[in-house]
Amino acid sequence: KAGVTQTPRYLIKTRGQQVTLSCSPISGHRSVSWYQQTPGQGLQFLFEYFSETQRNKGNFPGRFSGRQFSNSRSEMNVSTLELGDSALYLCASSLAVGANTEAFFGQGTRLTVV
Amino acid sequence: DAKTTQPNSMESNEEEPVHLPCNHSTISGTDYIHWYRQLPSQGPEYVIHGLTSNVNNRMASLAIAEDRKSSTLILHRATLRDAAVYYCILSGGTSYGKLTFGQGTILTVHP
Repeated sequence: KAGVTQTPRYLIKTRGQQVTLSCSPISGHRSVSWYQQTPGQGLQFLFEYFSETQRNKGNFPGRFSGRQFSNSRSEMNVSTLELGDSALYLCASSLAVGANTEAFFGQGTRLTVV
Repeated sequence: DAKTTQPNSMESNEEEPVHLPCNHSTISGTDYIHWYRQLPSQGPEYVIHGLTSNVNNRMASLAIAEDRKSSTLILHRATLRDAAVYYCILSGGTSYGKLTFGQGTILTVHP
């Protein structure tokens, strides 16, 4: 069974631009979460989607947004990029709803803002 | 979010057992204890989780204290491939997919 797929794997953008990252969850998984990982802040939760609805959101500015499609694939968008947005962006999918379930992570998208 | 406390780093020798501790004194009755690990240049990987009883799977064992204020991840025979950052995370009923990662424990395995 294919794992969580994130595209692209690497991306270089200029300050002020916007970027869209994609995540394809494991087949059958309806919950998709996004995380940002930086050396200074570690792994931080961005948001979670289930059946096309955002159910939870982390403490990030409105420049960070996401959506989920009917096939459970998800995208996240960052507008007006800043140097501090350079990070590894990770997507995770889960089969079940709630805390009694494991999350499966993708390899991440490494975003560099110059 | 309930907080967990882990040692910054631990070391082990290959083929020896490793016991990774985690304190979570403010855990609530509905919080599950999850362990994930992250190998270099990879996304986090699920290891194990439990609520009250000890749990075993092919990767590890999870020993949960009777008062649930602490737990221990046990790797029965460490290999070089187990060198990673290990995260102990509490996840409650309304977490809706949110995992709150702390700094974790950096495990070094010596050959």
